[in-house]
Amino acid sequence: DTGVSQDPRHKITKRGQNVTFRCDPISEHNRLYWYRQTLGQGPEFLTYFQNEAQLEKSRLLSDRFSAERPKGSFSTLEIQRTEQGDSAMYLCASSLAPGQGMNQPQHFGDGTRLSIL
Amino acid sequence: AQKITQTQPGMFVQEKEAVTLDCTYDTSDPSYGLFWYKQPSSGEMIFLIYQGSYDQQNATEGRYSLNFQKARKSANLVISASQLGDSAMYFCAMREPGNQFYFGTGTSLTVIP
Repeated sequence: DTGVSQDPRHKITKRGQNVTFRCDPISEHNRLYWYRQTLGQGPEFLTYFQNEAQLEKSRLLSDRFSAERPKGSFSTLEIQRTEQGDSAMYLCASSLAPGQGMNQPQHFGDGTRLSIL
Repeated sequence: AQKITQTQPGMFVQEKEAVTLDCTYDTSDPSYGLFWYKQPSSGEMIFLIYQGSYDQQNATEGRYSLNFQKARKSANLVISASQLGDSAMYFCAMREPGNQFYFGTGTSLTVIP
């Protein structure tokens, strides 16, 4: 297994357009997380899934953001009607659930850098 | 309240010297895990070291060690014999059972030749 992969690596779009990012986690990981990171800041939690169930979504997350993990494998994050403030790195991570060991770290993908013109 | 606090926005260390990066955490759960990640300028998040709340000994991984003081709720990362390649952002994170990971705001480490 090659780790967590994200696609695309970079996305440049005009304000108001919709964008969709994909994340393929490590195959045996049942948890998948999405984060947003801006320059000089730590990853900001957006949402996470256990298998196909979305267990938690940040209260800070606008209704323009939606995520899915339909078959419990890959996940997509969609941003509708993008705004300038959406420009950031979007990170995906996967892990085993805590019940399978609290020492299981998150493994991160390389991220998708979104730039809104 | 912040779950993870990193109070050092930036740190400098001379090459080959040791450096301590501070991290304090807040939880009422007796079971939790603490993690440190490194993020070089290239952007990838690299897992460094883990400390469990029930672990009796401080975790060590090569040149990385974690100074775990449970009563003070601190989990400081110690990097020994710093190398130029250690220059990066370092993030402390915590995991509670059944919950998400919480990350701090990070510390930027610069190793000076």
